[in-house]
Amino acid sequence: AQTIHQWPVAEIKAVGSPLSLGCTIKGKSSPNLYWYWQATGGTLQQLFYSITVGQVESVVQLNLSASRPKDDQFILSTEKLLLSHSGFYLCAWRTGTGGRQDTQYFGPGTRLLVL
Amino acid sequence: AQSVTQPDARVTVSEGASLQLRCKYSYFGTPYLFWYVQYPRQGLQLLLKYYPGDPVVQGVNGFEAEFSKSNSSFHLRKASVHWSDWAVYFCAVSPHSGYNKLTFGKGTVLLVSP
Repeated sequence: AQTIHQWPVAEIKAVGSPLSLGCTIKGKSSPNLYWYWQATGGTLQQLFYSITVGQVESVVQLNLSASRPKDDQFILSTEKLLLSHSGFYLCAWRTGTGGRQDTQYFGPGTRLLVL
Repeated sequence: AQSVTQPDARVTVSEGASLQLRCKYSYFGTPYLFWYVQYPRQGLQLLLKYYPGDPVVQGVNGFEAEFSKSNSSFHLRKASVHWSDWAVYFCAVSPHSGYNKLTFGKGTVLLVSP
């Protein structure tokens, strides 16, 4: 069975400080991976997706960047945090089998508060 | 461009009563449609998914949804609500091809009263 893990569980960071959030998926080779951001009380907004190692596509910038250093790892980062970066960050993976089984599944999320 | 509208920001239902959460989508053609649930301070869990075929989709925990192309809708239903259903429900749409784009509605908060 596939498992998706996100770290850290929660962070409190200062404005202007750097940030790195991680996502790892086990039990699935060459997954499509996704980063989403959810403002407090808001909807989910897709930020990035990656089909393969070293390849990342940006959907919405929000002064963030993403990298795919390993097949099972997806990293979200920024050099300087803004207050507007606060929220809930979710990583997701896609079954990618096509047809009826093709679905995105979400990790537990990382809660970020920028002060 | 695809979009999803969930017209009800909040719905309150008595425990044991039936439930309908509304979802309207905008997409040229027939999309994939999803309902996800988010329990307090947790990630999203998939409830059910529409793949072109039967218009009524059965999901987990007694949830079902009905797809209507003529109404551009994908409403979520449950016959008898339980207190544990208290959560935020998101409807989402994706095109058949280029599946990497999943667009969510703003969500509906379901409150269950005793």
